Amino acid sequence: KQEVTQIPAALSVPEGENLVLNCSFTDSAIYNLQWFRQDPGKGLTSLLLIQSSQREQTSGRLNASLDKSSGRSTLYIAASQPGDSATYLCAVISGSEKLVFGKGTKLTVNP
Amino acid sequence: ETGVTQTPRHLVMGMTNKKSLKCEQHLGHNAMYWYKQSAKKPLELMFVYSLEERVENNSVPSRFSPECPNSSHLFLHLHTLQPEDSALYLCASSQDIVRGWETQYFGPGTRLLVL
Repeated sequence: KQEVTQIPAALSVPEGENLVLNCSFTDSAIYNLQWFRQDPGKGLTSLLLIQSSQREQTSGRLNASLDKSSGRSTLYIAASQPGDSATYLCAVISGSEKLVFGKGTKLTVNP
Repeated sequence: ETGVTQTPRHLVMGMTNKKSLKCEQHLGHNAMYWYKQSAKKPLELMFVYSLEERVENNSVPSRFSPECPNSSHLFLHLHTLQPEDSALYLCASSQDIVRGWETQYFGPGTRLLVL
């Protein structure tokens, strides 16, 4: 059974700092990995999707990497801003074709 | 309207009530999903519909009853719920059942409180 773990559960940083969020998964046979953002009381917004054949994806200040063999992904946020404050969720799709989510990392960027 | 909408946004109900959650997608997608997000637990997939046919029932209790009358609408009928069913219920849609190159679009969710 696929399990996704995200560390840390919460992170607080000053504005402008570069930061890394971590995601690990137990079954390396995945189709893709996605990073989502969830603002309080709201739905999820897809940030980046990495196919199983890819190693990284970039969008603006966000860079996500994927190491399938070790079952790990990182989300790098450059020059963090208060507007980046949200919960970041990692999810993978594997053989069952379901999105399996981690519990998320709650990020607070302080002005 | 665009994207995925859900109504109501907030719902309080007693354990003997019957209520329904509604989801509508304006994206022309063929697949729709119900998820449950409880405090301090990962998002859990509940049901998957593809072209109005249920293709996944992820061991969900029968007090939750989904309905998909057409590819744009998805309902979750609730009856005799328990307090532990209190959670954020999220609806999502995708062009088709997710394969490696696709992503799901989520609605804002319905915050449910069962008293």
